[in-house]
Parts: sequence; C-alpha cells; structure tokens
Amino acid sequence: DAKTTQPPSMDCAEGRAANLPCNHSTISGNEYVYWYRQIHSQGPQYIIHGLKNNETNEMASLIITEDRKSSTLILPHATLRDTAVYYCIVRDNYGQNFVFGPGTRLSVLP
Amino acid sequence: DAGVIQSPRHEVTEMGQEVTLRCKPISGHNSLFWYRQTMMRGLELLIYFNNNVPIDDSGMPEDRFSAKMPNASFSTLKIQPSEPRDSAVYFCASSLGGGGSEKLFFGSGTQLSVL
Repeated sequence: DAKTTQPPSMDCAEGRAANLPCNHSTISGNEYVYWYRQIHSQGPQYIIHGLKNNETNEMASLIITEDRKSSTLILPHATLRDTAVYYCIVRDNYGQNFVFGPGTRLSVLP
Repeated sequence: DAGVIQSPRHEVTEMGQEVTLRCKPISGHNSLFWYRQTMMRGLELLIYFNNNVPIDDSGMPEDRFSAKMPNASFSTLKIQPSEPRDSAVYFCASSLGGGGSEKLFFGSGTQLSVL
C-alpha cells in the first residue's frame, strides 16, 4: 500500500505557481520522498526527490517539513503542458518497491 | 541513450491466446520493473528484477503471468492464456540501484486489449 496521502485533484492558473501537497506521516528516517508525474498515456516521469533538505532542479522545487511528515512539490510557473497526474512516493534505498498511489490530477487552466 | 524501449506499443488479441511483452532497459541499469495500469487499480507493481534475478513477484496476479530476464538488456512478460481482464497498459521501468537514491525511468508502455 502507498504510504502517502494526496488530494485527488487540483486546479492551477497558467503562469501561477502550483503547490502540490503530500502527507507521509509514517515516513521513517531512511526513506526518501520522490515525485513523479504522468502525462496522459505516457509512462511516469521522474521529477525530483529528497531526504530532509529542500531540493530544487530545473523542473520543480521540493519542500519537506522539518518533521518530514509532509512535503510540497512546487511548479513555479505552471504551463498547460504541466497538466498531469502527480505521484508522491516514499521509499528507502534498500530494496523497497516504488509503490504508486492514486496521485493528484493537476489541471492547469488557461 | 534511447531510454527504456518496449514492444509492441499496441497488442490486440483474443481470449486464450498467449501474449508476450518485451522490454529493453537503459544500458547500465541493474534493476527492472514491470507495472500494470488500469483505471480501476491505477499503477500496480507486478515484479522487479535486480541484476537479472527476480526479487519480488508478489504482484504477479496468478500463474498465467510469468516474467523472465535472461540477460541485462532484455526482459519479457508473458500471459498465457490471456483473459479480457488482463486488458491494461503495461509499463517497464529500469533504474540504477544498489545504494544511494534511485530514479526510475519508464518506457512508453504496451496497450494490451484482450477481446
């Protein structure tokens, strides 16, 4: 079973920041938080991951709370092409599977 | 690199027929995953391999499903006999695991329709 909880859907205006929350209250010390997204009919695409520090790359920023029980994926300037299902996953690096929950369906509106 | 390559992209077959899905992982990756996606159940992990050895096949639905990885550059997922409820998109993914953080790279999937 997925160890994360995400809202089923969200809307965001084009050009604005999209903030996607994820709760992972049972996360353990050696588990990373990963974010993937799936654009319609394509395979999921890696976005970003982190352990406890905030992370930023060319796609997004990841903010992890100090207690690590929740995180937020930030798309700073959402475009129509960012419309997708976004998955938050927690996983350690010692053989756990990548378990995908239902994710958040983000709709970027013109 | 061409990424993870899956074939065929689409497969239409009749109930009872054997179906074989193929996957070529990214060169140098040592872990390979097979997922199935349906509207009802979302993305489900079927099986994963590490260094060509099956590590966890608890997600394989039943004996009709089998997966092999004869070498580091090729894997198959076979369904025999196929049933209409097997209709789904099947994704293969690979990663370089074994310490440190790990990123999955997915193929484009095989859309399977069993009539």
